[in-house]
Amino acid sequence: AQSVTQLDSQVPVFEEAPVELRCNYSSSVSVYLFWYVQYPNQGLQLLLKYLSGSTLVESINGFEAEFNKSQTSFHLRKPSVHISDTAEYFCAVSLNTGGFKTIFGAGTRLFVKA
Amino acid sequence: ETGVTQTPRHLVMGMTNKKSLKCEQHLGHNAMYWYKQSAKKPLELMFVYSLEERVENNSVPSRFSPECPNSSHLFLHLHTLQPEDSALYLCASGDGTVGNTIYFGEGSWLTVV
Repeated sequence: AQSVTQLDSQVPVFEEAPVELRCNYSSSVSVYLFWYVQYPNQGLQLLLKYLSGSTLVESINGFEAEFNKSQTSFHLRKPSVHISDTAEYFCAVSLNTGGFKTIFGAGTRLFVKA
Repeated sequence: ETGVTQTPRHLVMGMTNKKSLKCEQHLGHNAMYWYKQSAKKPLELMFVYSLEERVENNSVPSRFSPECPNSSHLFLHLHTLQPEDSALYLCASGDGTVGNTIYFGEGSWLTVV
């Protein structure tokens, strides 16, 4: 069975500071990895995903995540956050052999302070 | 028009009531999902339908009954719920391919009193 652990439930940070949201996963087979973001009063939306190729993937709004197979991690980083980045971030995995299960972590609430 | 639409956005129901949550997707996807979101817990996958056939049922109590009449619509029928069932219920859709992105609705906030 697969599982996803997000090590921090809340991360407060000042505007323009760097941030890292941590994600570790457990799986006996290869997986695809995702980060989703949920802004207040909205559903989740895809931020970025790793399927294959370069282990470093980027989003259009400056976030990046690196797949580390040996450490089974997929941490999300941004070098300089904005107030508008305040949201809840969810790490997720799905099997690369198919199927319909996408397993999510408990989420990390990023709170950016002025 | 948003890709995945859920109604109602908020629902308060008593433990003896029967109600339904509705979801509609306008993305041409063939897979639809129900997730339960509770505070400080991982999103719980409840049900998955592919081409109107249920393909996942994650040990969800029978007081939750899904229905998928066609590939664009998904319902969650609720009956004799418990207060601990209060949560945000998220509907989502995807194209069912390996590594596919899932598209979520805004959710239905359910409070059981």
